[in-house]
Amino acid sequence: QVHLVESGGGVVQPGRSLRVSCAASGFMFRRYGMHWVRQTPGKGLEWVAAIWFDGTNEDYADSVKGRFTIFRDNSKNTLYLQMNSLRVEDSAVYYCARDHLASSGYYFDFWGQGTLVTVSS
Amino acid sequence: EIVLTQSPGTLSLSPGERATLSCRAGQSVSSSYLAWYQQKPGQAPRLLIYGASIRATGIPDRFSGSGSGTDFTLTISRLEPEDFAVYYCQQYDSSPMYTFGPGTKLEIK
Repeated sequence: QVHLVESGGGVVQPGRSLRVSCAASGFMFRRYGMHWVRQTPGKGLEWVAAIWFDGTNEDYADSVKGRFTIFRDNSKNTLYLQMNSLRVEDSAVYYCARDHLASSGYYFDFWGQGTLVTVSS
Repeated sequence: EIVLTQSPGTLSLSPGERATLSCRAGQSVSSSYLAWYQQKPGQAPRLLIYGASIRATGIPDRFSGSGSGTDFTLTISRLEPEDFAVYYCQQYDSSPMYTFGPGTKLEIK
């Protein structure tokens, strides 16, 4: 049974950094691409970043490019999102989601429960 | 970026009725690249349909998807109490870029 558990969310001041994590279990983590998707009441669901199964390729939404970094540790079955230079508009629930492919596919077949990030002074 | 619009914003129906949810794209989307998700309060989205019409594993056959080009539809043939939720469509294009519609809230009448 696929299980994705996010952690690391919290309240952070604008301009500061935060790292969120996603622990995966119930499937061969190293064989799948992974994503971060965020959700806010105002903007809805927004794809943030993707990483291939082996970590060799990353992609980012324009809204976070240059500030966020997605990476993974396949030995620990864990996905990460390093968020720097945070802005108020980055406040959201951050979900990790599994790609249906090893690379960047067309949809997300399993999602975690999310972790809330609030950027506020 | 391909913009998705969903209609109606809210749909009020009774259990046992048929629900028809629409997703329209600002430009043509390959059917292979269109998916539907269900989200209940406090829960993560759940994949229902991918490739516009293929039910994900474990999804009941009362859920069906159809459409092509710019117009796609999610149909729930006979509503069960657990089907009342928010439904999102999502598309993929090159870059990669993934965009979601704003959602349709399906509520009990």
